[in-house]
Amino acid sequence: EVQVVESGGGLVQPGGSLRLSCAASGFTFSDYWMSWVRQAPGKGLEWVANIKQDGSEKNYVDSVKGRFTISRDNAKNSLYLQMNSLRAEDTAVYYCAIGNSAFDYWGQGTLVTVSS
Amino acid sequence: DIVLTQSPDSLAVSLGERATINCKSSQSVLYSSNNKNYLAWYQQKPGQPPKLLIYWASIRESGVPDRFSGSGSGTDFTLTISSLQAEDVAVYYCHQYYSTPYTFGQGTKLEIK
Repeated sequence: EVQVVESGGGLVQPGGSLRLSCAASGFTFSDYWMSWVRQAPGKGLEWVANIKQDGSEKNYVDSVKGRFTISRDNAKNSLYLQMNSLRAEDTAVYYCAIGNSAFDYWGQGTLVTVSS
Repeated sequence: DIVLTQSPDSLAVSLGERATINCKSSQSVLYSSNNKNYLAWYQQKPGQPPKLLIYWASIRESGVPDRFSGSGSGTDFTLTISSLQAEDVAVYYCHQYYSTPYTFGQGTKLEIK
């Protein structure tokens, strides 16, 4: 059974940093592209970033370029999102999503709140 | 960036009736080399993550009831629920994975009339 568990969310002040983690199991992690998708409170879905199976290719939405860094550790079946220079508009539930095309599996998400 | 526009924003349908949600893309998501439309549909219920229903525009995910179907090609797509059940109340999103940045439609809220 596929399991995806995000962690690392919390309350952070504007300009601060946070590192999200996603622990995955039940499938061959290194075979899949991995993505982060976020959802602001009461709003729709926004894709944030993705990373290729071997980590050699990374893509980001413009609004986070230069501030967020996606990475993965295939030995630990884990995905990460380092978030720096956080802004109020980054407040959202952050989901880890798995898929080489559409997103077959999603975690339950971790809430990031950026507020003073 | 590819913009996906869903219609309507909200929809109320009687139990057992058909529900239809449309998704229009600002550019084609049909990849000519493999003739596949890079378009998916998700269902999201309150407090839950999205759930994949349809991929490649018309392929039903394993375990998804056959009352859900997807159609369309190029820039115009439709999600149809043939006979609405109470458990289908949710927000539905279309999603293009043709090119980054991947994008989603704004969502359609489906309710029971």
